Amino acid sequence: DAKTTQPNSMESNEEEPVHLPCNHSTISGTDYIHWYRQLPSQGPEYVIHGLTSNVNNRMASLAIAEDRKSSTLILHRATLRDAAVYYCILRLSGYALNFGKGTSLLVTP
Amino acid sequence: DAGVIQSPRHEVTEMGQEVTLRCKPISGHDYLFWYRQTMMRGLELLIYFNNNVPIDDSGMPEDRFSAKMPNASFSTLKIQPSEPRDSAVYFCASSTRDRELWPLHFGNGTRLTVT
Repeated sequence: DAKTTQPNSMESNEEEPVHLPCNHSTISGTDYIHWYRQLPSQGPEYVIHGLTSNVNNRMASLAIAEDRKSSTLILHRATLRDAAVYYCILRLSGYALNFGKGTSLLVTP
Repeated sequence: DAGVIQSPRHEVTEMGQEVTLRCKPISGHDYLFWYRQTMMRGLELLIYFNNNVPIDDSGMPEDRFSAKMPNASFSTLKIQPSEPRDSAVYFCASSTRDRELWPLHFGNGTRLTVT
């Protein structure tokens, strides 16, 4: 199964953009790239997903490398409420998603 | 929509006792997942169901763990006997496949402490 690699932690200042990287060098052609985040004391929540093209929604943007071996989740203006653990996930065979440890984002005022 | 409902929110039990965690998925969702989260291992998939049938239980740690889904609106995860190393937060999630987009909807988890 294709795996992802993310930094353990990142730090950002409030109201600045944040770029969260993810490497997935063994991604297959049919794997979608999903991002979830987990706020303290809550279950993970969906953020965004993509296959080949860059994607935007109200929460974030997803930039996917041309060779699809890496992607970047972009928070355009970080707020204190964006402090969370961010997971980059590839869909496993079948329909399940297997999370890892993600990137813990700290946002400072 | 009430979302995925898990109970209890917190469970403290003694080693050797049976523990049952409960989950009510979102109505209409045909996939249900059980995850376990620890500091050491992160968020791990234990088992998932499709239309009440277990599809993949390869993540279940050992025979002490069992999961059932008797109907579309209820699932249980049972640990018997419990051990201190089972202490973790257990999440239930549900989903339905809608073309390529089927986000998982998670409950708020059950924090299990085994002493």
